[in-house]
Amino acid sequence: DAKTTQPNSMESNEEEPVHLPCNHSTISGTDYIHWYRQLPSQGPEYVIHGLTSNVNNRMASLAIAEDRKSSTLILHRATLRDAAVYYCILRDEGGGSGNTGKLIFGQGTTLQVKP
Amino acid sequence: EAQVTQNPRYLITVTGKKLTVTCSQNMNHEYMSWYRQDPGLGLRQIYYSMNVEVTDKGDVPEGYKVSRKEKRNFPLILESPSPNQTSLYFCASSSPPRGEAFFGQGTRLTVV
Repeated sequence: DAKTTQPNSMESNEEEPVHLPCNHSTISGTDYIHWYRQLPSQGPEYVIHGLTSNVNNRMASLAIAEDRKSSTLILHRATLRDAAVYYCILRDEGGGSGNTGKLIFGQGTTLQVKP
Repeated sequence: EAQVTQNPRYLITVTGKKLTVTCSQNMNHEYMSWYRQDPGLGLRQIYYSMNVEVTDKGDVPEGYKVSRKEKRNFPLILESPSPNQTSLYFCASSSPPRGEAFFGQGTRLTVV
């Protein structure tokens, strides 16, 4: 499975946008980019996923580089509730771990939101 | 409300005393799995199930058993717990397997 690299930690101010980067230089053509987050004392929670085009949902936006070697999760207006560990995960949906449903979590980025 | 429910949330037990952590989902998902989370190691998959009566090993299955007799339930069984199984455990479900995964709130297990 292809690997992702994320900064260990980031800080943001409340009500400002946050851009969480993820590098995945060995991404394959069938890898989808998934983001999950884990709030303190909770299980991971799905945020967003995409393949090539940028994606938006009620929680966040996902911007994917044209060469797909990197992506950015965008929280448009951070709140204190967004303080969490954010995981960028590649999932091979052409076979491999994608078909077993396994999510391979790295260390993620710990986002701190300051009031 | 769509949810995955684990019980208990916290458990302290002694080495060798069999225990079961229950997991139930109300979304009619076919796929369910168990993960453990340890500091510095992240979340690792223990076992997964593609459907009723279909289970398979994940990355760290040693010391664990599972069963899937009904679609909604996927219990994790530790026949003879040891201190190295002290961890935070999460159950997850999705449908299809590569769909959005829903996780339970976690079970913090301490084996002394």
